[in-house]
Amino acid sequence: GNSVTQMEGPVTLSEEAFLTINCTYTATGYPSLFWYVQYPGEGLQLLLKATKADDKGSNKGFEATYRKETTSFHLEKGSVQVSDSAVYFCALNPQTGANNLFFGTGTRLTVIP
Amino acid sequence: NAGVTQTPKFQVLKTGQSMTLQCAQDMNHNSMYWYRQDPGMGLRLIYYSASEGTTDKGEVPNGYNVSRLNKREFSLRLESAAPSQTSVYFCASSELGRGPAQYFGPGTRLTVL
Repeated sequence: GNSVTQMEGPVTLSEEAFLTINCTYTATGYPSLFWYVQYPGEGLQLLLKATKADDKGSNKGFEATYRKETTSFHLEKGSVQVSDSAVYFCALNPQTGANNLFFGTGTRLTVIP
Repeated sequence: NAGVTQTPKFQVLKTGQSMTLQCAQDMNHNSMYWYRQDPGMGLRLIYYSASEGTTDKGEVPNGYNVSRLNKREFSLRLESAAPSQTSVYFCASSELGRGPAQYFGPGTRLTVL
């Protein structure tokens, strides 16, 4: 089946610290992988995506590399800011059937000044 | 360009009452989705519409019905609300194709007493 396992939170970091949020997946076939971000009181926004093995998605200083050999898509940022405080969701689209997304449970990040 | 819009933003119902959540997108997307978000569980697919004129069940369809009114609009109906349907509901849309990104509305927070 299809599933996403995400690093448990919450995560609290000081401003300018390095961020890693782990994400591993199980999928039938060759999924597309996504990171979404949810700011307080808002809907989910697409942060970045990768559609095939070894692709690197990047946006706003965040990066994630699609690793087929380890079935992982870890999110990283070199220097976090207070404005990065949000909940981050890893998701996959199996590219078959309903074309819907399978989400991890989310990781809450708080960045303190 | 408003993206995906949802109404209402908040709603409180009594057990047994009915209501319809509205969703519209202006991105000319073919596919639309309804998810629910519950604490610690990520998002789960309720129903989806791959294209105008079609609807299909997702992971958690019981207690819900949907209508794809036209290409822009996709509504979710609760015929007889139950406390277990207390949740935040998100509508999303995407293009057709293999593994496209989905774009989300701001959500409807529903409480069933």
